[in-house]
Amino acid sequence: NAGVTQTPKFRVLKTGQSMTLLCAQDMNHEYMYWYRQDPGMGLRLIHYSVGEGTTAKGEVPDGYNVSRLKKQNFLLGLESAAPSQTSVYFCASSYRSARSYEQYFGPGTRLTVT
Amino acid sequence: GDSVTQMEGPVTLSEEAFLTINCTYTATGYPSLFWYVQYPGEGLQLLLKATKADDKGSNKGFEATYRKETTSFHLEKGSVQVSDSAVYFCALLNSGGGADGLTFGKGTHLIIQP
Repeated sequence: NAGVTQTPKFRVLKTGQSMTLLCAQDMNHEYMYWYRQDPGMGLRLIHYSVGEGTTAKGEVPDGYNVSRLKKQNFLLGLESAAPSQTSVYFCASSYRSARSYEQYFGPGTRLTVT
Repeated sequence: GDSVTQMEGPVTLSEEAFLTINCTYTATGYPSLFWYVQYPGEGLQLLLKATKADDKGSNKGFEATYRKETTSFHLEKGSVQVSDSAVYFCALLNSGGGADGLTFGKGTHLIIQP
């Protein structure tokens, strides 16, 4: 039981390049989330999904797209990376709504955009 | 909107000292409150939570009481250990509508010296 895993762990992009971050969970959780963590700030919600085939915007969705084609995977895409997207990205999942069920976090992806 | 304010760090204590990390919140409705801990190089782990006023969450010697009258959820531990060194995040989840993700404070870096 691996829990929540994220790929890759580290990445350096040039401005304007694109990439996809993969989050996978093996706990059969319905809900999945993408957060970003910046120095001196808490985590901020980018997008989330309440089930396969659904996505919704969080607090800071601009510049990102997401897809949840399979229940166990939640992809975060950057179509044209900008230096402001340099951050540590965390994926999380929960069985149902985080109002009732614990969120489990992945180890993070450190992204640098130059 | 919802927000969480927690004391700035780093907080440096000696082993066996008493710990308090202050957390206050602003939210409409009746949020659930959480403390998460992040050890170096890892994702966040749920430390404790409280879902209604006057509830006390506890885990691993840490405690926090949901105080609606002061909108606070301060984290305490009677005798800290070197292994408690980490970043601690206070967070809330609103019971009302809107995004399902957590709203985090900026985090408090705790350093315990032997």
